[in-house]
Parts: sequence; structure tokens; C-alpha cells
Amino acid sequence: DAGVTQSPTHLIKTRGQHVTLRCSPISGHKSVSWYQQVLGQGPQFIFQYYEKEERGRGNFPDRFSARQFPNYSSELNVNALLLGDSALYLCASSLVRGTDTQYFGPGTRLTVL
Amino acid sequence: AQRVTQPEKLLSVFKGAPVELKCNYSYSGSPELFWYVQYSRQRLQLLLRHISRESIKGFTADLNKGETSFHLKKPFAQEEDSAMYYCALKGNTPLVFGKGTRLSVIA
Repeated sequence: DAGVTQSPTHLIKTRGQHVTLRCSPISGHKSVSWYQQVLGQGPQFIFQYYEKEERGRGNFPDRFSARQFPNYSSELNVNALLLGDSALYLCASSLVRGTDTQYFGPGTRLTVL
Repeated sequence: AQRVTQPEKLLSVFKGAPVELKCNYSYSGSPELFWYVQYSRQRLQLLLRHISRESIKGFTADLNKGETSFHLKKPFAQEEDSAMYYCALKGNTPLVFGKGTRLSVIA
């Protein structure tokens, strides 16, 4: 198993555009969480999905949205991009919710110009 | 509110010296605490969690609820320990991370 995979690896967008980031969890994992990591900071929680339903949301504006598909893969969408959205976006999967260990993907580096 | 504080951005120690990476937390409930590590060019990975009470790669961490701390310790640092270390708390959201401490072990 390759672990959690994310695509694309890098992405450059301009202000006002829209972006979609993708995540494939470890096989058998049903929960996916998204985090934003700004340079010099720790990851910050954005969303958690379990069994295709949103189970948690961090303190992010409505421009951020996500969904989980029947195969448990997930997309993170960000509309009306701002310069401050430039960050590394991490996806993490776990077997179930709760105290289960989260396994992180390599991240997508988003640069907004 | 949930908060994790790692007061040191950078910690440099000599090989063979003891290491202590500090972590303090704020949470009104009963927290679960974790240490994650990111080695150069690798993804973030779990190092240890307080409920396991195990030692990984010689590192240990004890949850001190009175001092609201979860410091990471290792008696003898090795060069391969050089990495970015993040303390994280699970309360009512999946994980809240500190800003991280970069550990540099000098040969």
C-alpha cells in the first residue's frame, strides 16, 4: 500500500480562482481529515469526513468545502482564492473516527499569486 | 478552547546529550496527546501517543495533567533524531497542533 496519496503535488493559482485538491486514503480507511499548514506553523484542522458525511469543521470560511466519495477518497475545494490561502494542504486518513491513528499524505503545496 | 504551545522553535543539542522538547496544552476536558515527527523530505508521522505509554526510538512522553504538559524526552540524542517535532492534542476536533520545534543534533 502506498499510504495516503494526494494530487497534485504542487499547484499555482491566481487570486479569485478556484482549486480542487484530491486525496486517496489508505485502503480500508473510512475517515479522511484535511489540514492547512502555513509556513512556520503547525497543521490546522479544516474538515473531517467519515462514511461520506462531514463530522467536523475547523474555523475556516465557507470558501472552503469538501466531500467524500463512496470509495472514501476525498476532495477539498477552495473558492475565490486569496493570497493567504497559500499553504501546504495535508490529508490524513484513519480506520474510523475517534482515537484512531491518523496517517498523513505528503501534501499539496498551493501557491496563490 | 483547545491550544497547544511549543515554546521553542529550534533546539540544538550535541549527540549523546539528553533532549527535552516542551509541550503545554490548554483544554477543559480530558485530552489525548500525541507527538508527531517529520524527518527531512518525509511526511508527517506519529511518534507516540500518551495512552500507549510506550517508548518509540528511545523517546518517551508523560502526560502531566497538573502542569498541563506533555514533554518529549530522550536520554541520549542521535543524529538521526534531527527533525521537526509537533505536539498535538485531540479534544473535540481531530487534532490541534503546536507550531513545532526543530531539533538539530550536532555531531
